[in-house]
Amino acid sequence: GQNIDQPTEMTATEGAIVQINCTYQTSGFNGLFWYQQHAGEAPTFLSYNVLDGLEEKGRFSSFLSRSKGYSYLLLKELQMKDSASYLCAVRDRGKLIFGQGTELSVKP
Amino acid sequence: DTEVTQTPKHLVMGMTNKKSLKCEQHMGHRAMYWYKQKAKKPPELMFVYSYEKLSINESVPSRFSPECPNSSLLNLHLHALQPEDSALYLCASSQEPKRSYEQYFGPGTRLTVT
Repeated sequence: GQNIDQPTEMTATEGAIVQINCTYQTSGFNGLFWYQQHAGEAPTFLSYNVLDGLEEKGRFSSFLSRSKGYSYLLLKELQMKDSASYLCAVRDRGKLIFGQGTELSVKP
Repeated sequence: DTEVTQTPKHLVMGMTNKKSLKCEQHMGHRAMYWYKQKAKKPPELMFVYSYEKLSINESVPSRFSPECPNSSLLNLHLHALQPEDSALYLCASSQEPKRSYEQYFGPGTRLTVT
């Protein structure tokens, strides 16, 4: 079966660091993506991991452990505009399978 | 140009109407996708087109009919929809269907079925 789990909601403070975890069990695996989606808008691509390890891109980093079926998205120096839904998605045989999304609220 | 465009932005239709959603990209991408997204839920894949051929249909009811007239355009024809089909319909594209490239999403069409 296909199962992608992430926390439903998280709250963090402006300027802080937050880590959003994602665990997955899928039939196949061709990479893991993180997307950001603001309310009423389309998802936008944040990061991609296919090999184990950390990928860093500015204030955002993403980590993957294939043996553990685990990824996290790390957001540093949080800003109010980072309040959004963060979607973990696994590519499996040509399809993106999305987790339910984590709604992040950044408070002053 | 890294943009996927979709028209219309909003659509209200009755259950007996026929309408079409349109999606366009000029990035030379060879994979295009239709997703349905309900409020506070993740996008659900409906269809995948690979090199203008339908490669994946996620058991979508026949009242949704996709069409890919050329490599830049993707349509979704709607007929006899139900109120539960009201959702945000997202189009996406990616560079190459057989490899893992990121998908670029359009802004979506918000569909209301009355």
